[in-house]
Amino acid sequence: EVQLVESGGGLVKPGGSLRLSCAASGFSLSDDIMQWVRQAPGKGLEWVSYISSSSTYIYYADSVKGRFTISRDNAKNSLYLQMNSLRVEDTAVYYCARDRGRYSGTYYGFDIWGQGTMVTVSS
Amino acid sequence: DIQLTQSPSFLSASVGDRVTITCRASQGISSYLAWYQQKPGKAPKLLIYAASTLQSGVPSRFSGSGSGTEFTLTISSLQPEDFASYHCQQLTSFTFGGGTKVEIK
Repeated sequence: EVQLVESGGGLVKPGGSLRLSCAASGFSLSDDIMQWVRQAPGKGLEWVSYISSSSTYIYYADSVKGRFTISRDNAKNSLYLQMNSLRVEDTAVYYCARDRGRYSGTYYGFDIWGQGTMVTVSS
Repeated sequence: DIQLTQSPSFLSASVGDRVTITCRASQGISSYLAWYQQKPGKAPKLLIYAASTLQSGVPSRFSGSGSGTEFTLTISSLQPEDFASYHCQQLTSFTFGGGTKVEIK
């Protein structure tokens, strides 16, 4: 079965750090763009970060730039999100997703999502 | 940054109704738009990409249209399993619209 499984969420105090992991199974993510998306309780989806297949291109939302670091280990078929200097407003469910990318002018969207991992930032 | 404005934010409808959700981009994004369905406590599910192409396995009652700055998602005959939230996403810088919750009337 093709799936993504996130882990590493939990309760952390403001200013603290967490590292999220996303393990792929049923497919190799080495050729894929991967992304992180989050959703605060009762709110909409917010794009967080992008990483290309070979880590050449990395992008962040302004809200997390300078605090979060995306990385991947293709040999371990895994994606990561290091979150530092956490704020109360970072409280959310964090999803990893496979981005099928753009070919011949068509962008194929995020077709595989993990179940999400909850991050709560509170004192 | 490109902003997406989704409307309505809340919609009450009955089984069998035709439902239309609109997504407006703050600047032109060609056809780089996707629609997702999300049920409570679950991850989003890709319904439509490239503004109008149905993802494999998605029922044909779902359709998408538009290009540039104005897009729509239509459910031709609402089914019980369609009561959920729907999100549009522009795929040039990945931002999402605010979401539309479709509830049973």
